[in-house]
Amino acid sequence: DTAVSQTPKYLVTQMGNDKSIKCEQNLGHDTMYWYKQDSKKFLKIMFSYNNKELIINETVPNRFSPKSPDKAHLNLHINSLELGDSAVYFCASSQVYLAGRDTQYFGPGTRLTVL
Amino acid sequence: DAKTTQPTSMDCAEGRAANLPCNHSTISGNEYVYWYRQIHSQGPQYIIHGLKNNETNEMASLIITEDRKSSTLILPHATLRDTAVYYCIVRVANTGNQFYFGTGTSLTVIP
Repeated sequence: DTAVSQTPKYLVTQMGNDKSIKCEQNLGHDTMYWYKQDSKKFLKIMFSYNNKELIINETVPNRFSPKSPDKAHLNLHINSLELGDSAVYFCASSQVYLAGRDTQYFGPGTRLTVL
Repeated sequence: DAKTTQPTSMDCAEGRAANLPCNHSTISGNEYVYWYRQIHSQGPQYIIHGLKNNETNEMASLIITEDRKSSTLILPHATLRDTAVYYCIVRVANTGNQFYFGTGTSLTVIP
Protein backbone atom coordinates (compact mmCIF):
# COMPACT_ATOMS: atom_id res chain seq x y z
CA ASP A 1 0.00 0.00 0.00
CA THR A 2 1.31 3.43 -0.93
CA ALA A 3 1.59 5.66 2.14
CA VAL A 4 1.75 9.05 0.40
CA SER A 5 0.66 9.22 -3.20
CA GLN A 6 0.69 12.09 -5.67
CA THR A 7 -0.93 12.55 -9.04
CA PRO A 8 0.13 13.17 -11.66
CA LYS A 9 3.73 11.99 -11.65
CA TYR A 10 4.59 14.18 -14.63
CA LEU A 11 2.88 17.39 -15.71
CA VAL A 12 3.85 19.35 -18.82
CA THR A 13 1.94 22.52 -19.53
CA GLN A 14 2.11 25.92 -21.15
CA MET A 15 2.82 29.19 -19.42
CA GLY A 16 -0.29 30.90 -18.17
CA ASN A 17 -2.27 27.71 -17.59
CA ASP A 18 -3.80 26.64 -14.28
CA LYS A 19 -3.01 23.19 -12.94
CA SER A 20 -3.52 21.08 -9.83
CA ILE A 21 -1.48 18.39 -8.14
CA LYS A 22 -3.22 15.99 -5.79
CA CYS A 23 -1.82 14.35 -2.69
CA GLU A 24 -3.30 11.65 -0.50
CA GLN A 25 -1.95 9.87 2.56
CA ASN A 26 -3.36 6.71 4.10
CA LEU A 27 -1.29 6.85 7.27
CA GLY A 28 -3.89 8.57 9.40
CA HIS A 29 -1.56 11.53 9.89
CA ASP A 30 -2.75 14.94 11.03
CA THR A 31 -0.17 17.07 9.22
CA MET A 32 0.61 17.40 5.52
CA TYR A 33 3.17 19.44 3.62
CA TRP A 34 4.12 20.64 0.17
CA TYR A 35 7.77 21.04 -0.80
CA LYS A 36 9.37 22.36 -3.98
CA GLN A 37 12.69 21.02 -5.27
CA ASP A 38 14.25 23.19 -7.94
CA SER A 39 16.79 22.35 -10.61
CA LYS A 40 19.64 22.89 -8.15
CA LYS A 41 18.09 20.22 -5.93
CA PHE A 42 17.26 22.58 -3.07
CA LEU A 43 14.25 21.22 -1.23
CA LYS A 44 12.15 23.97 0.28
CA ILE A 45 8.91 23.82 2.19
CA MET A 46 5.97 25.75 0.79
CA PHE A 47 3.00 24.95 3.01
CA SER A 48 2.00 22.89 5.97
CA TYR A 49 -1.48 21.95 7.12
CA ASN A 50 -2.46 20.46 10.45
CA ASN A 51 -5.96 19.03 10.79
CA LYS A 52 -6.97 20.84 7.60
CA GLU A 53 -5.72 24.19 8.90
CA LEU A 54 -2.82 26.11 7.43
CA ILE A 55 0.05 26.36 9.92
CA ILE A 56 3.02 27.21 7.70
CA ASN A 57 2.96 29.41 4.64
CA GLU A 58 6.41 30.23 3.40
CA THR A 59 7.02 33.10 1.01
CA VAL A 60 5.16 31.57 -1.88
CA PRO A 61 3.39 33.57 -4.61
CA ASN A 62 -0.34 33.69 -4.08
CA ARG A 63 -0.73 31.93 -7.41
CA PHE A 64 -0.15 28.81 -5.31
CA SER A 65 -3.17 27.81 -3.29
CA PRO A 66 -3.25 24.65 -1.20
CA LYS A 67 -6.56 23.05 -0.38
CA SER A 68 -7.19 20.40 2.24
CA PRO A 69 -10.67 18.91 1.89
CA ASP A 70 -9.93 16.46 4.68
CA LYS A 71 -6.99 15.30 6.77
CA ALA A 72 -5.97 12.70 4.20
CA HIS A 73 -5.72 15.08 1.26
CA LEU A 74 -3.73 18.20 0.48
CA ASN A 75 -3.99 19.44 -3.07
CA LEU A 76 -1.91 22.17 -4.66
CA HIS A 77 -3.47 24.45 -7.22
CA ILE A 78 -1.28 26.74 -9.28
CA ASN A 79 -2.68 29.63 -11.30
CA SER A 80 -1.02 31.39 -14.22
CA LEU A 81 1.93 29.07 -14.41
CA GLU A 82 5.35 30.61 -15.04
CA LEU A 83 8.59 29.15 -16.34
CA GLY A 84 10.11 29.41 -12.85
CA ASP A 85 7.47 27.08 -11.48
CA SER A 86 9.16 24.19 -13.23
CA ALA A 87 10.37 21.89 -10.47
CA VAL A 88 9.60 18.68 -8.65
CA TYR A 89 6.88 19.08 -6.05
CA PHE A 90 6.79 16.71 -3.11
CA CYS A 91 3.93 16.10 -0.75
CA ALA A 92 4.66 14.77 2.74
CA SER A 93 2.79 13.90 5.90
CA SER A 94 3.59 13.42 9.56
CA GLN A 95 1.65 12.26 12.57
CA VAL A 96 2.02 15.63 14.26
CA TYR A 97 4.03 18.76 13.49
CA LEU A 98 5.96 18.99 16.71
CA ALA A 99 9.70 18.35 16.47
CA GLY A 100 10.74 15.00 17.83
CA ARG A 101 7.45 13.43 16.84
CA ASP A 102 7.12 14.59 13.28
CA THR A 103 8.83 12.03 11.10
CA GLN A 104 7.81 13.01 7.61
CA TYR A 105 6.85 10.54 4.92
CA PHE A 106 7.26 11.85 1.41
CA GLY A 107 5.40 11.09 -1.77
CA PRO A 108 7.17 10.17 -5.02
CA GLY A 109 7.04 13.70 -6.39
CA THR A 110 5.40 15.44 -9.34
CA ARG A 111 7.70 16.77 -12.00
CA LEU A 112 6.15 19.96 -13.38
CA THR A 113 7.51 21.38 -16.61
CA VAL A 114 6.24 24.73 -17.81
CA LEU A 115 6.94 25.50 -21.46
CA ASP B 1 16.90 26.81 13.57
CA ALA B 2 20.65 26.07 13.66
CA LYS B 3 22.48 25.70 10.38
CA THR B 4 24.29 22.52 9.49
CA THR B 5 27.46 21.89 7.55
CA GLN B 6 28.08 18.67 5.68
CA PRO B 7 30.72 17.56 3.19
CA THR B 8 29.51 17.86 -0.37
CA SER B 9 30.31 14.29 -1.32
CA MET B 10 31.75 11.05 0.01
CA ASP B 11 32.54 7.59 -1.29
CA CYS B 12 32.24 4.31 0.58
CA ALA B 13 33.10 0.77 -0.40
CA GLU B 14 30.22 -1.66 -0.50
CA GLY B 15 29.95 -3.65 2.71
CA ARG B 16 31.92 -1.14 4.74
CA ALA B 17 30.51 1.30 7.24
CA ALA B 18 29.62 4.72 5.90
CA ASN B 19 30.21 7.54 8.38
CA LEU B 20 28.57 10.79 7.42
CA PRO B 21 29.51 13.81 9.53
CA CYS B 22 27.46 16.90 10.26
CA ASN B 23 28.45 20.05 12.10
CA HIS B 24 25.80 22.03 13.94
CA SER B 25 27.93 24.19 16.19
CA THR B 26 25.13 26.71 16.93
CA ILE B 27 22.62 24.09 18.00
CA SER B 28 20.55 24.95 21.05
CA GLY B 29 19.46 22.65 23.83
CA ASN B 30 15.98 22.01 22.49
CA GLU B 31 16.91 21.29 18.89
CA TYR B 32 16.66 17.80 17.49
CA VAL B 33 19.05 16.40 14.89
CA TYR B 34 17.33 14.64 11.99
CA TRP B 35 18.74 12.68 9.08
CA TYR B 36 16.92 12.11 5.82
CA ARG B 37 18.14 10.79 2.51
CA GLN B 38 17.01 11.18 -1.07
CA ILE B 39 17.70 8.48 -3.57
CA HIS B 40 17.79 9.77 -7.14
CA SER B 41 14.36 10.76 -8.46
CA GLN B 42 12.57 9.69 -5.28
CA GLY B 43 11.07 11.53 -2.37
CA PRO B 44 13.19 12.07 0.76
CA GLN B 45 13.19 9.20 3.24
CA TYR B 46 13.43 9.52 7.02
CA ILE B 47 16.40 7.73 8.56
CA ILE B 48 16.75 8.65 12.22
CA HIS B 49 16.63 11.51 14.69
CA GLY B 50 17.89 12.27 18.19
CA LEU B 51 18.18 14.99 20.81
CA LYS B 52 21.09 14.16 23.13
CA ASN B 53 21.60 10.44 23.28
CA ASN B 54 22.95 8.19 20.57
CA GLU B 55 20.22 6.44 18.64
CA THR B 56 20.04 3.25 16.61
CA ASN B 57 17.38 1.78 14.41
CA GLU B 58 17.20 -0.81 11.67
CA MET B 59 18.64 1.61 9.12
CA ALA B 60 21.43 3.45 10.90
CA SER B 61 23.03 4.76 14.05
CA LEU B 62 23.24 8.38 15.09
CA ILE B 63 26.15 9.45 17.23
CA ILE B 64 25.83 12.91 18.81
CA THR B 65 28.86 14.43 20.53
CA GLU B 66 28.56 15.36 24.17
CA ASP B 67 28.56 19.08 23.40
CA ARG B 68 25.98 18.38 20.65
CA LYS B 69 27.89 20.50 18.16
CA SER B 70 28.32 17.68 15.71
CA SER B 71 26.90 14.30 14.87
CA THR B 72 27.67 11.31 12.69
CA LEU B 73 25.28 9.10 10.81
CA ILE B 74 26.57 5.56 10.50
CA LEU B 75 25.32 3.10 7.92
CA PRO B 76 26.91 -0.08 9.28
CA HIS B 77 27.14 -2.10 6.05
CA ALA B 78 26.67 0.14 3.05
CA THR B 79 25.04 -1.32 -0.05
CA LEU B 80 24.71 0.06 -3.54
CA ARG B 81 21.12 1.00 -2.70
CA ASP B 82 22.44 3.40 -0.06
CA THR B 83 23.80 5.69 -2.78
CA ALA B 84 21.86 8.90 -2.17
CA VAL B 85 22.03 12.47 -0.90
CA TYR B 86 21.97 12.54 2.90
CA TYR B 87 20.56 15.57 4.69
CA CYS B 88 21.32 16.55 8.26
CA ILE B 89 18.69 18.90 9.71
CA VAL B 90 18.25 20.49 13.11
CA ARG B 91 14.86 21.61 14.33
CA VAL B 92 13.46 23.17 17.46
CA ALA B 93 11.31 20.94 19.61
CA ASN B 94 7.63 21.59 20.10
CA THR B 95 7.18 24.15 17.38
CA GLY B 96 5.63 24.11 13.98
CA ASN B 97 8.87 25.17 12.38
CA GLN B 98 9.60 23.57 9.11
CA PHE B 99 12.49 21.43 8.00
CA TYR B 100 15.29 23.27 6.24
CA PHE B 101 17.01 20.89 3.88
CA GLY B 102 20.51 22.06 3.02
CA THR B 103 22.66 20.76 0.20
CA GLY B 104 23.41 17.48 1.95
CA THR B 105 26.16 14.94 1.33
CA SER B 106 26.09 12.93 -1.86
CA LEU B 107 27.17 9.43 -0.83
CA THR B 108 28.33 7.04 -3.52
CA VAL B 109 28.70 3.40 -2.56
CA ILE B 110 31.31 1.77 -4.75
CA PRO B 111 31.15 -1.94 -5.64
